[in-house]
Amino acid sequence: SSELTQDPAVSVALGQTVTIACQGDILSGYYASWYQQKPGQAPLLVIYGQNSRPSGIPDRFSGSRSGNTAYLTITGARAEDEADYYCKSRDGSGSPPLYVFGPGTKVSVL
Amino acid sequence: EVQMVQSGAEMKKPGESLRISCKVSGYTFTNNWITWVRQMPGKGLEWMGRIDPSDSYTNYSPSFEGHVTISVDKPRTTAYLQWSSLKASDSAMYYCARNALDGSGSFFLDSWGQGTLVTVSS
Repeated sequence: SSELTQDPAVSVALGQTVTIACQGDILSGYYASWYQQKPGQAPLLVIYGQNSRPSGIPDRFSGSRSGNTAYLTITGARAEDEADYYCKSRDGSGSPPLYVFGPGTKVSVL
Repeated sequence: EVQMVQSGAEMKKPGESLRISCKVSGYTFTNNWITWVRQMPGKGLEWMGRIDPSDSYTNYSPSFEGHVTISVDKPRTTAYLQWSSLKASDSAMYYCARNALDGSGSFFLDSWGQGTLVTVSS
């Protein structure tokens, strides 16, 4: 099985840019998707595919990939972006496909 | 508008059975797999398994296989997660989510239910 790793926590000053990493061998072949979760709320998809945003997600959220690492970037962080962010991808290339979440990164906006 | 509405909070005793539900609307039920996700108190998200509503094919994470059952009722456009014998360690929030396919052959979860809190305590 694969594993996804994320930094436990990052902080960003209001209006600045923060990039969250998600590392895993499987990411060299499959995209990660990214989910935002605020306290007491269900997760919300923010990035999927190569760099696609669902309707309603602000364009300050973007995604990228390099090698076996996926990145979520928030450009011009706002107070409402303070949340936990989880990446998700396939758990290996076997069949049937299984999936796994990263452990999450807590983003604090200072 | 896609909606996924889950059943309400449950309080059960160890050993009891339970089935929670996820009623979907706003799209063709059989077009998208549905995944269940567990979140234990203060912890991260865990992928439990998923079902193809068109034929009820399921696949489970090894961590959950044999302990939970995922099913659907097509006429009711509802997915279910059930336990035959709950443990205290099953206490968690459970989410259902709709799957969609990205360009690499991987699925992402584009719409989520509000969550069902399950508490198992003697």
